[in-house]
Amino acid sequence: NAGVMQNPRHLVRRRGQEARLRCSPMKGHSHVYWYRQLPEEGLKFMVYLQKENIIDESGMPKERFSAEFPKEGPSILRIQQVVRGDSAAYFCASSTLAALSAGNTIYFGEGSWLTVV
Amino acid sequence: GESVGLHLPTLSVQEGDNSIINCAYSNSASDYFIWYKQESGKGPQFIIDIRSNMDKRQGQRVTVLLNKTVKHLSLQIAATQPGDSAVYFCAVSWSGGGADGLTFGKGTHLIIQP
Repeated sequence: NAGVMQNPRHLVRRRGQEARLRCSPMKGHSHVYWYRQLPEEGLKFMVYLQKENIIDESGMPKERFSAEFPKEGPSILRIQQVVRGDSAAYFCASSTLAALSAGNTIYFGEGSWLTVV
Repeated sequence: GESVGLHLPTLSVQEGDNSIINCAYSNSASDYFIWYKQESGKGPQFIIDIRSNMDKRQGQRVTVLLNKTVKHLSLQIAATQPGDSAVYFCAVSWSGGGADGLTFGKGTHLIIQP
């Protein structure tokens, strides 16, 4: 996990508020992935980004969720008008290359735990 | 698409014994497999990986076995220690599946009995 930095580690939001989760990839990594983990569940892919580009957002809910990875600064996962069902752990991962099958493992951060009250 | 499942949600073993955690996947085109360990309140930690051109790979106290015929993957942990207590996930990737990262199973909670 060393190197992938996520903040905040814990976030509490009231229903209807916005949540912003940040991720700084490992040094030298230009590919970022966001996953969501519900209690007692595995990780579900949400979105894959490279700098300034969303490559695959097939796992993102169509509404209220957005992600970006600007040229400068961390990747941001934004959840608007949060609902209780958004309560989960959100993990960011990074890799050097997209070709996972070539053995370029993705490394995870420690996660951001969102609680919606 | 790909679905990944584990055979047991919980596995309890005695300290010092060997553990075997199993995983099944559905897509025969999957070609890269990773095992992660996740401790409570932490992110997944890479343990070991294997590509589809191999059927066995060993690390320090861990071995991953891949049976492509039956689409089955296992993680063996030798001489389990208290620090091995965690949830273990297998993750599967398919190079032809686009850039959608990894598909994870639900996890097996490994409990080490003293």
